[in-house]
Formats: sequence, C-alpha cells, structure tokens
Amino acid sequence: AQKVTQAQTEISVVEKEDVTLDCVYETRDTTYYLFWYKQPPSGELVFLIRRNSFDEQNEISGRYSWNFQKSTSSFNFTITASQVVDSAVYFCALVRKAAGNKLTFGGGTRVLVKP
Amino acid sequence: GAVVSQHPSRVICKSGTSVKIECRSLDFQATTMFWYRQFPKKSLMLMATSNEGSKATYEQGVEKDKFLINHASLTLSTLTVTSAHPEDSSFYICSARVRFPVRGFTEAFFGQGTRLTVV
Repeated sequence: AQKVTQAQTEISVVEKEDVTLDCVYETRDTTYYLFWYKQPPSGELVFLIRRNSFDEQNEISGRYSWNFQKSTSSFNFTITASQVVDSAVYFCALVRKAAGNKLTFGGGTRVLVKP
Repeated sequence: GAVVSQHPSRVICKSGTSVKIECRSLDFQATTMFWYRQFPKKSLMLMATSNEGSKATYEQGVEKDKFLINHASLTLSTLTVTSAHPEDSSFYICSARVRFPVRGFTEAFFGQGTRLTVV
C-alpha cells in the first residue's frame, strides 16, 4: 500500500519569510509520480509540480523550489520570500504507475502568511 | 492546459433529496474520471473511478447506491448523491484523465469542485 505523510498540519509565517513543507511517501513501486497541489480558500486544486521517480533533480520555479530525495522518500517544497497570496493548503500526492491516475494525497499543510 | 468544468460549484439541498454533480472535460476526451471527497480541513479521499461506458469502481467503504456515478460519454461523468443527509455535506471534486496524454499516463486535470450542503 502507498502512503503520503505531511507531518506539518499548519505553518504560520510572516511575509517574506521562507517556509518549507515536508512530504514523506511510502511505496513499493519503482515507478511512481509525486505531485504538489495548492488549494486556496476557493477550493480548486492548483497543480504546482509533477516529478517522476527516476528524476531526482531538484527544481526551482520562481519562488518555489522542490527537493526530491529517494534515499529518504521525501519530496519537500519550499516557498521563498512568502507572500500573503501563498496562504493556502498544500497537498503532496503520489501516483503509482500501476494504479493509473489514482492519487493518494497527504493530509495537507495549511500555510498562513501574515502581512 | 486542459479544462475540466464541474457544475454546480455550490449547492444546498434539503435532506432526503438527490443532487447531481456534473464533470465535463471541455477540450479533451477523458476515458477515466475520478471522484474525490474532502471533508472540512481534511485531505481528499478517492471515492470512485469511472470509465466511459462501464460501471464505476468504488473504493472500500463508499456506498454504491448512495453515490451513483455515470460516465456516459468521453467528456461527461456525473455523480448523484441520492437521498442526501447532512453527513453527506462535503466538498466533491472530479478529475479527468486525458485519453491521449502528451506527457504520459499521468495527465489528469481537476474540476473546480462542488461544495454540497445538506440541510
């Protein structure tokens, strides 16, 4: 069985601070995909990134960066110089190739950025 | 990117009535659609997987007769909450898998979600 754990349920920071969201996953599959989604108060899921299990390169996109480490089964997400608009719930998710597009979500981390 | 339209975005219904939620892929064909449920301040849980032209596959613990799923075409899947009760109040969100993915099998896009309140 697969599992995604986001240990931090809520993080509160002051604007311009950096914030790192942890994600640890479990799967016996060798081929899988990891995702991060943002869910603002309106509810829709905003896709942020997808990473496959064979690509351990870290990625930076603007103020967002991701650190994928297979050795520790972690896929952490950092927001640099946070802004109030970053306030949302962030979900890490896993898809096993054998399971098609069935996403297993972590519990989510609520980020509150205060002005 | 591909667009998935979910309707309605919000619905309030009386206890005992049925509510239908539509999920449409607007600019692509979706052979598979997924329905998720999210309780307040909780994560998303997969309810069922529907494939066009066949019966849906429900996750363990999800009542098939309560949550009717129909996937009659390559662009439309519907979820009907039958005889709704207050405990069915939740956020329901669909996801559609691209029939001919450009970037691989993981191409799937989410609808905007439906907030159901049963009073």
